[in-house]
Amino acid sequence: QKEVEQDPGPLSVPEGAIVSLNCTYSNSVFQYFMWYRQYSRKGPELLMYTYSSGNKEDGRFTAQVDKSSKYISLFIRDSQPSDSATYLCGGSWGKLQFGAGTQVVVTP
Amino acid sequence: EAQVTQNPRYLITVTGKKLTVTCSQNMNHEYMSWYRQDPGLGLRQIYYSMNVEVTDKGDVPEGYKVSRKEKRNFPLILESPSPNQTSLYFCASSYSLSSYEQYFGPGTRLTVT
Repeated sequence: QKEVEQDPGPLSVPEGAIVSLNCTYSNSVFQYFMWYRQYSRKGPELLMYTYSSGNKEDGRFTAQVDKSSKYISLFIRDSQPSDSATYLCGGSWGKLQFGAGTQVVVTP
Repeated sequence: EAQVTQNPRYLITVTGKKLTVTCSQNMNHEYMSWYRQDPGLGLRQIYYSMNVEVTDKGDVPEGYKVSRKEKRNFPLILESPSPNQTSLYFCASSYSLSSYEQYFGPGTRLTVT
């Protein structure tokens, strides 16, 4: 069983909609939780991270972690076609573990 | 510009023909690693290095070798490639093993026939 589980999608939404992405994890030792964004033919780039439980907001992006249920979430408000990418969730305990990634398509 | 570079970007080879994928970073990072990315499986770590001459196995090391003779370079070596090593490979670097932010290279698409 993978330490981080993520639905691969694809998830297709119209421009302006809210994108909701979720992951579950099994490793209770994770301290940091991350979301990476990967555009086609590019390497992943760190989008957001949170330490332990709670919310973190950065512009149109909100990351949430619920350690009691081992749930990692990312919300994208007012989605744009430029948000079309694969989003990878992950956790770190001194070593990063990634989910499989969810492909998001925002249609104009 | 801070970056991780990989070469080649695309490679088609035949079973058993040794190959090397180079990786270089210009950020003076101590930690470097190699991942392979496969559909449905995501990023899986192959090998990592915490400093010069210090390397260790990741989650899927079979069939791969690495070396770290200089801090900036971390080549991935496939001594005898097989078709199941057809994949997208990423090199990454970060300040430390525990850093949540890794800087990824652009990827190398390898096809082994």
